[in-house]
Amino acid sequence: AQSVTQLGSHVSVSEGALVLLRCNYSSSVPPYLFWYVQYPNQGLQLLLKYTSAATLVKGINGFEAEFKKSETSFHLTKPSAHMSDAAEYFCAVSEAPGGTSYGKLTFGQGTILTVHP
Amino acid sequence: NAGVMQNPRHLVRRRGQEARLRCSPMKGHSHVYWYRQLPEEGLKFMVYLQKENIIDESGMPKERFSAEFPKEGPSILRIQQVVRGDSAAYFCASSPAANEQFFGPGTRLTVL
Repeated sequence: AQSVTQLGSHVSVSEGALVLLRCNYSSSVPPYLFWYVQYPNQGLQLLLKYTSAATLVKGINGFEAEFKKSETSFHLTKPSAHMSDAAEYFCAVSEAPGGTSYGKLTFGQGTILTVHP
Repeated sequence: NAGVMQNPRHLVRRRGQEARLRCSPMKGHSHVYWYRQLPEEGLKFMVYLQKENIIDESGMPKERFSAEFPKEGPSILRIQQVVRGDSAAYFCASSPAANEQFFGPGTRLTVL
């Protein structure tokens, strides 16, 4: 079974400040990891994904995440927050190819990011 | 290339009625997933389908819920005899080969 824990349901930063959204996962098999962003009343947009290649993954809009197996973490960062980054962010895990549940995403509870001027 | 399309975007039903949610995957995508987002909760997997086959329905409630993805036409999530607890946003995602999933805008179901 897989699970995802996002620490902090709400994160507030000032414009220009570092964004750090935390995600820890649990998986008995090699995982694929994802970060999605959801704007109000919209669907989810993929920010970035880890699929067992490079541990530091760069995504869209200046976001990046680092896969740390020893810490079972996949935290999302952005050096400088912009007002347009305000949204809800979801971390998700799936099994790698070959797993019985390959393709099925298990999501964390989400973190709402607020950016202050 | 149009994205994943879902309709209707908003659906209002009274208790006991049926709700039908439609999902048209991206062109060339043969894998469809349905997720439910309840208020104050994250997204929960419901069902994974390929054309004419249900691959994994481990997240589907045992009663009243069904899903299909016919050879022709959109995938349908059907909820019979809706109750207030079914009020949620239902998201469909598609992928070409069970990897990266592309999400639709969702259908927001309100049960009165």
